Amino acid sequence: NAGVTQTPKFRVLKTGQSMTLLCAQDMNHEYMYWYRQDPGMGLRLIHYSVGEGTTAKGEVPDGYNVSRLKKQNFLLGLESAAPSQTSVYFCASSYSWDPTAEQYFGPGTRLTVT
Amino acid sequence: AQSVAQPEDQVNVAEGNPLTVKCTYSVSGNPYLFWYVQYPNRGLQFLLKYITGDNLVKGSYGFEAEFNKSQTSFHLKKPSALVSDSALYFCAVEGDALIFGKGTTLSVSS
Repeated sequence: NAGVTQTPKFRVLKTGQSMTLLCAQDMNHEYMYWYRQDPGMGLRLIHYSVGEGTTAKGEVPDGYNVSRLKKQNFLLGLESAAPSQTSVYFCASSYSWDPTAEQYFGPGTRLTVT
Repeated sequence: AQSVAQPEDQVNVAEGNPLTVKCTYSVSGNPYLFWYVQYPNRGLQFLLKYITGDNLVKGSYGFEAEFNKSQTSFHLKKPSALVSDSALYFCAVEGDALIFGKGTTLSVSS
């Protein structure tokens, strides 16, 4: 099993450009998450999905959109990138809504917006 | 509101010495607590969790954590540190969502 994979690994955008980050998991997990990691701030939840066709806002959703058209994929879109969105983005998944279930993380995407 | 705090940005220990990485939490109700580790340029990996029961939880790579309800703490420990344990460690508490601390960098010197 590949687990959770993310593409691309690195990206540089100019202010105002758009892009989509792809997350894929092969563990048949229901829940998927997008986080951003910034120095000294830990991980903050952007959006999450509790199943195919569903999405919900997390702590810092502004400037991002998501879609979960297939159970195994969770896409994160930046409509008009801003320098404040320079960050490392992590996707994660878990097998159920059970709050005791651990999350499995992808390797991350390092995004720089100039 | 649920929250978690890691009071130390960095912990330095010598190889072979015991290590402790501190975490305190604030939740309403029973806490579900987690430790994750992040190696350089990698995603987070689950280490261990506390759900209920025994206050001493054992996890991966020889790590353990002690849950203390009265002190609202969940400190990560290891009896003998390895250089390969050097990484960024995150404590997390499950509330409406998984809430992470800011992380503690563990540096183990040889």
